[in-house]
Amino acid sequence: GNSVTQMEGPVTLSEEAFLTINCTYTATGYPSLFWYVQYPGEGLQLLLKATKADDKGSNKGFEATYRKETTSFHLEKGSVQVSDSAVYFCALRNRDDKIIFGKGTRLHILP
Amino acid sequence: KAGVTQTPRYLIKTRGQQVTLSCSPISGHRSVSWYQQTPGQGLQFLFEYFSETQRNKGNFPGRFSGRQFSNSRSEMNVSTLELGDSALYLCASSLGVSGYQETQYFGPGTRLLVL
Repeated sequence: GNSVTQMEGPVTLSEEAFLTINCTYTATGYPSLFWYVQYPGEGLQLLLKATKADDKGSNKGFEATYRKETTSFHLEKGSVQVSDSAVYFCALRNRDDKIIFGKGTRLHILP
Repeated sequence: KAGVTQTPRYLIKTRGQQVTLSCSPISGHRSVSWYQQTPGQGLQFLFEYFSETQRNKGNFPGRFSGRQFSNSRSEMNVSTLELGDSALYLCASSLGVSGYQETQYFGPGTRLLVL
């Protein structure tokens, strides 16, 4: 079946550091891939998405590239800010199927 | 345009009771999905409704049920509550026409505590 594995947190970085949160998936076919972010006390917000191989999603300085050959969709940001502290979820959705979320990675950015 | 709204935001119930949670999607969205979020299990899919029909269902017992009305508003019901049902219940809506490529827009959630 479909599954998503993302690196366990918490991840703690200093402001302006480079961020990578790893995400790999198992799926048949060509799913759509998503990164959602959850700020404290709020629901999830879409951060970025990619719907086919080699697509790059980007938003607010975050990027992720859909890598079919490595079944990965790693999230990156060149310079993190304190306001990026949140929980990040990698997710996939296959055609005619439900969305599958990873366990989430909590990110702490220190000033 | 107003976002997804969920009511109530917080709820305390006792074991054995039942509860109904409500979700109003973004105007024009016809698909509504429900999720349970707990620290141990993470985000788990409950069910998805589109045009008043259940389109997908997760692996939850029959105590969990839902429905969608003609105005796309949705409710979920949990009967015979157990302590393990304590969780944040999230609702998400989408247009429902592009299927697996669509973005889902989440509400703030209903936090349920079962005592």
